[in-house]
Amino acid sequence: GAVVSQHPSWVICKSGTSVKIECRSLDFQATTMFWYRQFPKQSLMLMATSNEGSKATYEQGVEKDKFLINHASLTLSTLTVTSAHPEDSSFYICSATRLAGAYEQFFGPGTRLTVL
Amino acid sequence: AQSVTQLGSHVSVSEGALVLLRCNYSSSVPPYLFWYVQYPNQGLQLLLKYTTGATLVKGINGFEAEFKKSETSFHLTKPSAHMSDAAEYFCAVSESGANSKLTFGKGITLSVRP
Repeated sequence: GAVVSQHPSWVICKSGTSVKIECRSLDFQATTMFWYRQFPKQSLMLMATSNEGSKATYEQGVEKDKFLINHASLTLSTLTVTSAHPEDSSFYICSATRLAGAYEQFFGPGTRLTVL
Repeated sequence: AQSVTQLGSHVSVSEGALVLLRCNYSSSVPPYLFWYVQYPNQGLQLLLKYTTGATLVKGINGFEAEFKKSETSFHLTKPSAHMSDAAEYFCAVSESGANSKLTFGKGITLSVRP
Protein backbone atom coordinates (compact mmCIF):
# COMPACT_ATOMS: atom_id res chain seq x y z
CA GLY A 1 0.00 0.00 0.00
CA ALA A 2 0.85 3.73 -0.09
CA VAL A 3 1.90 3.97 -3.70
CA VAL A 4 2.46 7.33 -5.34
CA SER A 5 2.81 7.69 -9.09
CA GLN A 6 4.01 10.53 -11.25
CA HIS A 7 3.37 11.22 -14.89
CA PRO A 8 5.25 11.70 -17.06
CA SER A 9 8.47 10.10 -15.86
CA TRP A 10 10.44 12.32 -18.18
CA VAL A 11 9.65 15.21 -20.47
CA ILE A 12 11.60 17.36 -22.89
CA CYS A 13 10.15 20.69 -23.94
CA LYS A 14 11.14 23.86 -25.72
CA SER A 15 11.91 27.04 -23.87
CA GLY A 16 8.80 29.14 -23.34
CA THR A 17 6.33 26.28 -23.24
CA SER A 18 4.44 25.02 -20.21
CA VAL A 19 4.66 21.54 -18.76
CA LYS A 20 2.24 19.78 -16.43
CA ILE A 21 3.34 17.02 -14.07
CA GLU A 22 0.79 14.83 -12.29
CA CYS A 23 1.16 13.22 -8.89
CA ARG A 24 -1.34 10.57 -7.84
CA SER A 25 -1.82 8.56 -4.68
CA LEU A 26 -2.98 5.20 -6.06
CA ASP A 27 -4.27 3.35 -3.02
CA PHE A 28 -4.89 5.98 -0.37
CA GLN A 29 -6.33 9.42 0.07
CA ALA A 30 -3.74 12.12 0.57
CA THR A 31 -4.45 15.00 2.93
CA THR A 32 -1.32 16.75 1.88
CA MET A 33 1.03 16.55 -1.07
CA PHE A 34 4.48 18.04 -1.29
CA TRP A 35 6.51 19.03 -4.34
CA TYR A 36 10.29 18.88 -4.31
CA ARG A 37 12.99 19.83 -6.74
CA GLN A 38 16.30 18.05 -6.97
CA PHE A 39 19.31 19.21 -8.94
CA PRO A 40 21.97 16.67 -9.98
CA LYS A 41 24.01 15.37 -7.06
CA GLN A 42 22.06 17.56 -4.64
CA SER A 43 19.42 17.11 -2.00
CA LEU A 44 15.69 17.60 -2.28
CA MET A 45 14.44 21.12 -1.83
CA LEU A 46 10.82 21.59 -0.84
CA MET A 47 9.00 23.84 -3.29
CA ALA A 48 5.46 23.84 -1.94
CA THR A 49 2.90 22.08 0.21
CA SER A 50 -0.62 21.56 -1.06
CA ASN A 51 -3.79 20.53 0.69
CA GLU A 52 -6.82 19.31 -1.21
CA GLY A 53 -9.17 22.14 -2.06
CA SER A 54 -6.98 24.97 -0.86
CA LYS A 55 -4.14 27.07 -2.22
CA ALA A 56 -0.64 25.73 -2.06
CA THR A 57 1.87 27.12 0.39
CA TYR A 58 5.12 27.98 -1.35
CA GLU A 59 8.55 28.00 0.22
CA GLN A 60 10.52 31.20 0.26
CA GLY A 61 12.12 31.94 -3.08
CA VAL A 62 9.77 29.75 -5.13
CA GLU A 63 7.82 31.70 -7.74
CA LYS A 64 4.18 30.74 -7.33
CA ASP A 65 3.23 32.23 -10.69
CA LYS A 66 5.82 30.09 -12.41
CA PHE A 67 5.18 26.85 -10.56
CA LEU A 68 1.42 26.44 -10.44
CA ILE A 69 0.16 23.77 -8.09
CA ASN A 70 -3.37 22.42 -8.09
CA HIS A 71 -4.64 19.83 -5.62
CA ALA A 72 -8.06 19.15 -7.07
CA SER A 73 -8.84 15.90 -5.29
CA LEU A 74 -7.61 13.69 -2.48
CA THR A 75 -5.64 11.60 -4.95
CA LEU A 76 -4.30 14.09 -7.48
CA SER A 77 -2.01 17.08 -7.41
CA THR A 78 -0.49 18.75 -10.45
CA LEU A 79 2.55 20.95 -10.89
CA THR A 80 2.62 23.17 -13.97
CA VAL A 81 5.89 24.81 -14.92
CA THR A 82 4.85 27.85 -16.92
CA SER A 83 7.03 29.41 -19.58
CA ALA A 84 9.79 26.94 -18.85
CA HIS A 85 13.41 27.90 -19.33
CA PRO A 86 16.59 25.79 -19.32
CA GLU A 87 17.27 26.71 -15.69
CA ASP A 88 14.01 24.96 -14.78
CA SER A 89 15.49 21.66 -15.94
CA SER A 90 15.53 19.44 -12.90
CA PHE A 91 14.15 16.31 -11.25
CA TYR A 92 10.76 17.00 -9.70
CA ILE A 93 9.51 14.66 -6.99
CA CYS A 94 6.18 14.66 -5.22
CA SER A 95 5.18 13.02 -1.97
CA ALA A 96 1.93 12.48 -0.14
CA THR A 97 0.71 11.82 3.38
CA ARG A 98 -2.30 9.72 4.29
CA LEU A 99 -5.45 11.10 5.83
CA ALA A 100 -4.89 9.49 9.22
CA GLY A 101 -1.78 9.57 11.41
CA ALA A 102 0.13 11.33 8.72
CA TYR A 103 3.73 12.10 9.55
CA GLU A 104 5.23 9.78 6.98
CA GLN A 105 5.56 10.94 3.39
CA PHE A 106 5.34 8.49 0.51
CA PHE A 107 7.35 9.53 -2.51
CA GLY A 108 6.66 9.29 -6.19
CA PRO A 109 9.30 8.08 -8.64
CA GLY A 110 10.06 11.57 -9.91
CA THR A 111 9.81 13.40 -13.22
CA ARG A 112 12.89 14.46 -15.17
CA LEU A 113 12.26 17.78 -16.93
CA THR A 114 14.65 18.97 -19.62
CA VAL A 115 14.02 22.36 -21.19
CA LEU A 116 15.85 23.00 -24.44
CA ALA B 1 13.97 25.76 12.59
CA GLN B 2 15.28 22.31 11.87
CA SER B 3 18.34 21.20 9.96
CA VAL B 4 20.27 18.06 9.07
CA THR B 5 24.00 17.63 8.65
CA GLN B 6 25.47 14.75 6.71
CA LEU B 7 29.22 15.15 6.71
CA GLY B 8 31.07 14.17 3.59
CA SER B 9 29.53 13.44 0.22
CA HIS B 10 30.86 9.99 -0.53
CA VAL B 11 31.55 6.82 1.42
CA SER B 12 33.20 3.78 -0.11
CA VAL B 13 33.26 0.36 1.56
CA SER B 14 34.18 -3.14 0.54
CA GLU B 15 31.49 -5.73 0.07
CA GLY B 16 30.89 -7.39 3.42
CA ALA B 17 32.25 -4.46 5.42
CA LEU B 18 30.39 -2.35 7.94
CA VAL B 19 28.42 0.57 6.59
CA LEU B 20 28.22 3.70 8.75
CA LEU B 21 26.54 6.84 7.45
CA ARG B 22 26.44 9.74 9.85
CA CYS B 23 23.57 12.13 10.45
CA ASN B 24 23.24 14.93 12.97
CA TYR B 25 20.14 17.02 13.33
CA SER B 26 18.94 20.22 14.90
CA SER B 27 15.36 20.67 16.02
CA SER B 28 13.63 22.90 18.52
CA VAL B 29 11.01 20.24 19.27
CA PRO B 30 11.17 16.45 19.59
CA PRO B 31 12.05 15.29 16.11
CA TYR B 32 10.87 12.59 13.82
CA LEU B 33 13.88 11.21 11.96
CA PHE B 34 14.06 9.34 8.69
CA TRP B 35 16.57 7.67 6.41
CA TYR B 36 15.74 7.39 2.72
CA VAL B 37 17.57 5.67 -0.12
CA GLN B 38 17.52 6.85 -3.72
CA TYR B 39 18.67 4.85 -6.70
CA PRO B 40 19.59 6.70 -9.92
CA ASN B 41 16.66 8.45 -11.57
CA GLN B 42 14.20 7.15 -9.00
CA GLY B 43 12.22 8.56 -6.14
CA LEU B 44 12.96 8.02 -2.48
CA GLN B 45 12.37 4.81 -0.59
CA LEU B 46 12.02 4.86 3.18
CA LEU B 47 14.65 2.75 4.94
CA LEU B 48 13.58 3.40 8.49
CA LYS B 49 12.13 6.00 10.80
CA TYR B 50 12.20 7.07 14.44
CA THR B 51 9.18 8.72 16.00
CA THR B 52 8.93 7.69 19.65
CA GLY B 53 9.81 4.71 21.79
CA ALA B 54 12.78 2.44 21.19
CA THR B 55 15.79 4.43 20.13
CA LEU B 56 17.29 1.64 18.05
CA VAL B 57 15.18 1.21 14.95
CA LYS B 58 15.48 -1.49 12.36
CA GLY B 59 14.60 -0.96 8.75
CA ILE B 60 14.57 -2.73 5.45
CA ASN B 61 17.54 -4.41 3.78
CA GLY B 62 19.34 -5.00 7.09
CA PHE B 63 19.81 -1.33 7.97
CA GLU B 64 19.35 0.10 11.42
CA ALA B 65 19.82 3.45 13.11
CA GLU B 66 20.03 4.67 16.67
CA PHE B 67 18.52 7.90 17.93
CA LYS B 68 20.87 9.54 20.43
CA LYS B 69 19.26 12.64 21.85
CA SER B 70 22.35 13.69 23.81
CA GLU B 71 24.41 13.65 20.63
CA THR B 72 21.60 14.86 18.34
CA SER B 73 22.53 12.01 16.05
CA PHE B 74 20.76 9.36 14.01
CA HIS B 75 23.54 7.39 12.33
CA LEU B 76 22.68 4.63 9.85
CA THR B 77 24.49 1.29 9.98
CA LYS B 78 24.53 -2.06 8.29
CA PRO B 79 26.83 -4.86 9.46
CA SER B 80 27.70 -6.19 6.02
CA ALA B 81 27.52 -4.18 2.82
CA HIS B 82 26.12 -5.67 -0.36
CA MET B 83 26.74 -4.47 -3.89
CA SER B 84 23.06 -3.60 -4.17
CA ASP B 85 23.43 -1.08 -1.34
CA ALA B 86 25.25 1.33 -3.64
CA ALA B 87 22.97 4.36 -3.81
CA GLU B 88 22.35 7.84 -2.44
CA TYR B 89 21.25 8.06 1.18
CA PHE B 90 19.37 10.96 2.71
CA CYS B 91 18.72 11.68 6.35
CA ALA B 92 15.67 13.84 7.07
CA VAL B 93 13.99 15.43 10.06
CA SER B 94 10.50 16.70 10.67
CA GLU B 95 8.83 18.21 13.67
CA SER B 96 6.58 15.73 15.42
CA GLY B 97 3.03 16.01 14.23
CA ALA B 98 0.95 15.40 11.20
CA ASN B 99 1.75 16.81 7.79
CA SER B 100 5.01 18.33 8.93
CA LYS B 101 7.59 19.39 6.42
CA LEU B 102 10.68 17.27 5.92
CA THR B 103 14.09 18.86 5.93
CA PHE B 104 16.71 16.78 4.14
CA GLY B 105 20.42 16.53 4.54
CA LYS B 106 22.51 16.93 1.41
CA GLY B 107 22.89 13.19 1.00
CA ILE B 108 25.74 10.73 0.90
CA THR B 109 26.71 8.51 -1.99
CA LEU B 110 27.57 4.98 -0.89
CA SER B 111 29.84 2.96 -3.16
CA VAL B 112 30.48 -0.74 -2.55
CA ARG B 113 33.70 -2.27 -3.86
CA PRO B 114 33.75 -5.94 -4.84
